[in-house]
Amino acid sequence: GENVEQHPSTLSVQEGDSAVIKCTYSDSASNYFPWYKQELGKRPQLIIDIRSNVGEKKDQRIAVTLNKTAKHFSLHITETQPEDSAVYFCAASKNSNYQLIWGAGTKLIIKP
Amino acid sequence: DADVTQTPRNRITKTGKRIMLECSQTKGHDRMYWYRQDPGLGLRLIYYSFDVKDINKGEISDGYSVSRQAQAKFSLSLESAIPNQTALYFCATSETTTATTDTQYFGPGTRLTVL
Repeated sequence: GENVEQHPSTLSVQEGDSAVIKCTYSDSASNYFPWYKQELGKRPQLIIDIRSNVGEKKDQRIAVTLNKTAKHFSLHITETQPEDSAVYFCAASKNSNYQLIWGAGTKLIIKP
Repeated sequence: DADVTQTPRNRITKTGKRIMLECSQTKGHDRMYWYRQDPGLGLRLIYYSFDVKDINKGEISDGYSVSRQAQAKFSLSLESAIPNQTALYFCATSETTTATTDTQYFGPGTRLTVL
């Protein structure tokens, strides 16, 4: 079945630096790739998503890039701030069944 | 997001007991989902429903059952709870749109402990 691998599992960066989280998917038919943020003790919330007809999408300090040939997509956070500390999940899905297949999550730690 | 609610928020039970987790939404969404979250494993789909008459198994449905009582209500049951069902359970909803998939809105979660 479809699989999504997410790396790293933990990422520690200095406040103000950039953070990059990468996901690889197995099903070449996947065409929708969201990223969710889950703060400690809270529910996951969508922060950005991308569809397979575009290669990059930006929203202020966050951006997602997609490489369909290599079947990977990445989340980029610039000028990291303490409130960026959270667990980030990537996911992928395709037209036929609408299910999201989730990565295992990345715990992002912002060091002051 | 107060539009998706879950009850109870915390539950401790014993092996072999029947447990029901409830989810209600006021968003008017057709699609509802049940996930479980375990440390290091992310979110795994248990069941999903695209409308009241449409219920589908997800990745890990064994040991679970669901009921879609109305558009706004989707319940998850553990017929005979076992300790490895100890986890954080999330309900989520999404809207049927012309897009292939859309944003999923999560409830606050139910922390279930099976002793």
